[in-house]
Amino acid sequence: GQQVMQIPQYQHVQEGEDFTTYCNSSTTLSNIQWYKQRPGGHPVFLIQLVKSGEVKKQKRLTFQFGEAKKNSSLHITATQTTDVGTYFCAGSYGGATNKLIFGTGTLLAVQP
Amino acid sequence: EAQVTQNPRYLITVTGKKLTVTCSQNMNHEYMSWYRQDPGLGLRQIYYSMNVEVTDKGDVPEGYKVSRKEKRNFPLILESPSPNQTSLYFCASSSGSREQFFGPGTRLTVL
Repeated sequence: GQQVMQIPQYQHVQEGEDFTTYCNSSTTLSNIQWYKQRPGGHPVFLIQLVKSGEVKKQKRLTFQFGEAKKNSSLHITATQTTDVGTYFCAGSYGGATNKLIFGTGTLLAVQP
Repeated sequence: EAQVTQNPRYLITVTGKKLTVTCSQNMNHEYMSWYRQDPGLGLRQIYYSMNVEVTDKGDVPEGYKVSRKEKRNFPLILESPSPNQTSLYFCASSSGSREQFFGPGTRLTVL
């Protein structure tokens, strides 16, 4: 079946350093969503990317969707302790646009 | 306030004792889904529903049942729970292919 691979599994950074997590699919995605889950919390939607090559920014967060719509990345500039949590990408394929396949997530730890 | 609610939030049970986890949303969303979250495996979809009386299997449906008799409710039923169903469960809802709103989660332990 379809799979979305996400790396790294875990990243530990010093506050102020940058952070990037990557998602990759073996087949073309219809769109990709990104979620953040704080420790002990539930996933919260961050953004959706639909167009090939799309780049969106939310303050210090930059989201990219690859030209082939098979990969995506989330980059955080100058991390803060409030960025701590697990970041998930979730891709949808073909006609089943409501069926999301989640990546395994990247746990971000930020040391003050 | 727009939200997805789940009950119970925590449950410890024994093997074979039927249980139901309820999920309700107040946003009039057509689409609802159940996920389980396990360390290192991310979120895996159990079942989803496109609308009332329309349900389909996700990636890990074995051992679970669902029903969608009303638009707002989507209960998850474990007829005979086993220890490998110990997990953190999330219900989610969405409208169309837009963002999914997740409930607070139900932590289930099956002894």
